[in-house]
Amino acid sequence: SQQGEEDPQALSIQEGENATMNCSYKTSINNLQWYRQNSGRGLVHLILIRSNEREKHSGRLRVTLDTSKKSSSLLITASRAADTASYFCATDQTGANNLFFGTGTRLTVIP
Amino acid sequence: DSGVTQTPKHLITATGQRVTLRCSPRSGDLSVYWYQQSLDQGLQFLIQYYNGEERAKGNILERFSAQQFPDLHSELNLSSLELGDSALYFCASGGGVRGSPLHFGNGTRLTVT
Repeated sequence: SQQGEEDPQALSIQEGENATMNCSYKTSINNLQWYRQNSGRGLVHLILIRSNEREKHSGRLRVTLDTSKKSSSLLITASRAADTASYFCATDQTGANNLFFGTGTRLTVIP
Repeated sequence: DSGVTQTPKHLITATGQRVTLRCSPRSGDLSVYWYQQSLDQGLQFLIQYYNGEERAKGNILERFSAQQFPDLHSELNLSSLELGDSALYFCASGGGVRGSPLHFGNGTRLTVT
């Protein structure tokens, strides 16, 4: 499969804690993106990191990319109840014309 | 609001039937992508169109077809429906630059009974 895999599948934390989710993929990529999906809604783009970048920040989000290990992580700091959602990584793979999405991590932030 | 509009929001139909899902991309976007999301599954890429032409094909069944019209809206046709076709179908649009972020509609939830 060309899909990425997120780990863990589900994560439950208290409000104010940090949440870390990981993504592994199998092929060479041009970039990797993270998306958020609220229950039953469309995905919303959060952040994009290019293959030549190792770390990127956007507000409370921090993304790292290790192309040698073919893995990425998304850190959400100081989580809020409103961060409760599913988070997906998507890879822009070399030679492909579309994004390949992982299976997602379901994050629950308990108030 | 992503600017991508999908209709209908919900669709309930019987096995063997045919349905059409409609998508209007965000203003200015030339590419339309269709994805299928089954319960507790990731997104499966079905097909991509760019400015009216098919650009990439994924795991799209032969019973499914799609097209993009001159006004850039797209339709996904699902025929000979089976119970297993029940899923959320998402349309996403993009500017057409490879690897650029996608803008998703809120999906059509298809239930086949």
